[in-house]
Amino acid sequence: AQSVAQPEDQVNVAEGNPLTVKCTYSVSGNPYLFWYVQYPNRGLQFLLKYITGDNLVKGSYGFEAEFNKSQTSFHLKKPSALVSDSALYFCAVRRFSGATNKLIFGTGTLLAVQP
Amino acid sequence: EAGVAQSPRYKIIEKRQSVAFWCNPISGHATLYWYQQILGQGPKLLIQFQNNGVVDDSQLPKDRFSAERLKGVDSTLKIQPAKLEDSAVYLCASSLAGSSGAGELFFGEGSRLTVL
Repeated sequence: AQSVAQPEDQVNVAEGNPLTVKCTYSVSGNPYLFWYVQYPNRGLQFLLKYITGDNLVKGSYGFEAEFNKSQTSFHLKKPSALVSDSALYFCAVRRFSGATNKLIFGTGTLLAVQP
Repeated sequence: EAGVAQSPRYKIIEKRQSVAFWCNPISGHATLYWYQQILGQGPKLLIQFQNNGVVDDSQLPKDRFSAERLKGVDSTLKIQPAKLEDSAVYLCASSLAGSSGAGELFFGEGSRLTVL
């Protein structure tokens, strides 16, 4: 079944250090991959997506993600973490079934940035 | 541009009672989704509409959950009767039409349901 996995429940990083939030996927064909962020008591906000083209995708708030087909990964990265980046991050993949498709989310990774 | 509107933000009910959630998508967005997010888990798709037609409701517990999108704009999700395990945040999202799957979803702030 087409899905994503986020192996880390929580990632801790000091402010100013680089951060990585991991995501691996399992799909047939070319994957459509997304990252969303959720702040406390808020809905999900779109960060970035990979559909085709350059493997390095740049998104909102200085985040970027690298699509790696050989490792079936789509890790989220940021060169210098901010305390305000602390939130819940979800990786997602489009699952296609005939003429329809739906967005399947991972279990989420809590990012905690310490001052 | 106004975002996805949801109400109520919070609801507390006792088991076996009923509850309804309302969603108004972004203007012009033909596709509307209802997701259930249980604490500690990722959002799970309950139902997906394209205009006023159902595209996918394979994970909707149809014995107690129902949803409609009359006139292809706003939508209502109902639970009757509620169970303890229905305690969750119910997220509504919308996206532009199209079957390519490349478009992102825009989410409302969610409706948090607590069933006692």
